[in-house]
Formats: sequence, C-alpha cells, structure tokens
Amino acid sequence: EPEVTQTPSHQVTQMGQEVILRCVPISNHLYFYWYRQILGQKVEFLVSFYNNEISEKSEIFDDQFSVERPDGSNFTLKIRSTKLEDSAMYFCASRPGQFTNEQFFGPGTRLTVL
Amino acid sequence: GQQLNQSPQSMFIQEGEDVSMNCTSSSIFNTWLWYKQDPGEGPVLLIALYKAGELTSNGRLTAQFGITRKDSFLNISASIPSDVGIYFCAGQSTKTSYDKVIFGPGTSLSVIP
Repeated sequence: EPEVTQTPSHQVTQMGQEVILRCVPISNHLYFYWYRQILGQKVEFLVSFYNNEISEKSEIFDDQFSVERPDGSNFTLKIRSTKLEDSAMYFCASRPGQFTNEQFFGPGTRLTVL
Repeated sequence: GQQLNQSPQSMFIQEGEDVSMNCTSSSIFNTWLWYKQDPGEGPVLLIALYKAGELTSNGRLTAQFGITRKDSFLNISASIPSDVGIYFCAGQSTKTSYDKVIFGPGTSLSVIP
C-alpha cells in the first residue's frame, strides 16, 4: 500500500542552524501539507501546497519557514534559523485530489533544537 | 481561531468494552476526520465523514457526522489492547479554506487486558 515517507526520522541541530526536512508524498497525490506536533500537544497545521505554490499557511509559518517541491517526488520543509521552540514532531501529509479531504500522514521527523 | 474540543480527555477501559468519544466545535464543519496516533508515529486515518447525519463504519469503528454539523462521535466496539493510542478528530470548517484541516486535542485511550 502506498505511503508517505519522511527523512530523517530524528534530526538534532544547534539553535540558529538551518534544517531541511524531507518528504516523499504518495505518488499520485496532488496536495501536500506540513504539520507540527509539540510533545504532548495536538497536531497543528503549518502549510498546504498545490500546483507548485503555497495555497495556505498558518500564523506559525513565518519567514523562517519555506517549502519546496524540487522535483516530481520530494517535498521539503526548510527552517532557516532554528529556535528552541521549533523542537517538535513534523509531519508531512498528502491528499489525492480535489474531491476528498482525506489526508494521509507520514511517520514524522522528530526535530530537537539544542 | 477555530477550535475543536474532544471528550473525554482520557479513558481507561477493560478489554472487550465499548468506547464512545466525541468532538465538538463552535462553528460548522464540512468534513470530519478521525485519526489514531500511536506513540512516536504519524496519525493514521480511520474514518472520513462528508455529510451531516452520515454514519460510517470501519470494522469495529463507527463514526457519525452530527446533524448540526458542529459535532462528531467515534465508537469502538469490543475494544482490544491494540486500540490503545490517541484518537484525534479533525475537520475542515466552512470558515476556512478547503485545504486547512484543524485537529482536536485528542482522547487518550488505555485498554486494560
């Protein structure tokens, strides 16, 4: 069964460093998302991406964040200068198309900022 | 901003018991989604609901889209140990774009063998 994959599973970085989190969405899906989940809290929407551009972003997704689909398969989230409060699980999700809102999540990347 | 409330926050049940949990919102939702999350893993979609009043089953799980479009419930029948996890409701509100899905705070389920 096709699934969303994410790498790395765990990333440790120093405050102020740049990180890139990578995702491979399900191959025929058209809509892509990033969410984050701070330990013990709910899943929070960050950004949605369709047709090679951001379609919506939350207030969390400030200028330190960017997303890119550099080729036909990868979808990346870049955090330019990490802060301690960026420590969280980051989930990528994808959705097949226009007439369904069913989003399928990857296993997540645990980001630890020291 | 948009918020979902889930109750109960946590529950401890005996194996074999039925479970009921619900999710409410102050605004109308177009879609309700129920996810289960195991520790250290991503949410797994259980059931998606698209119409008010819709009742949908997935094995031992049954979920309903409330008539008012402001609530949804999830029932699990004859619980087993692997049902342990956090159950999140999520939805897409009429006040946000079709793309943005909001998650509730979750209901933590523990099953005692």
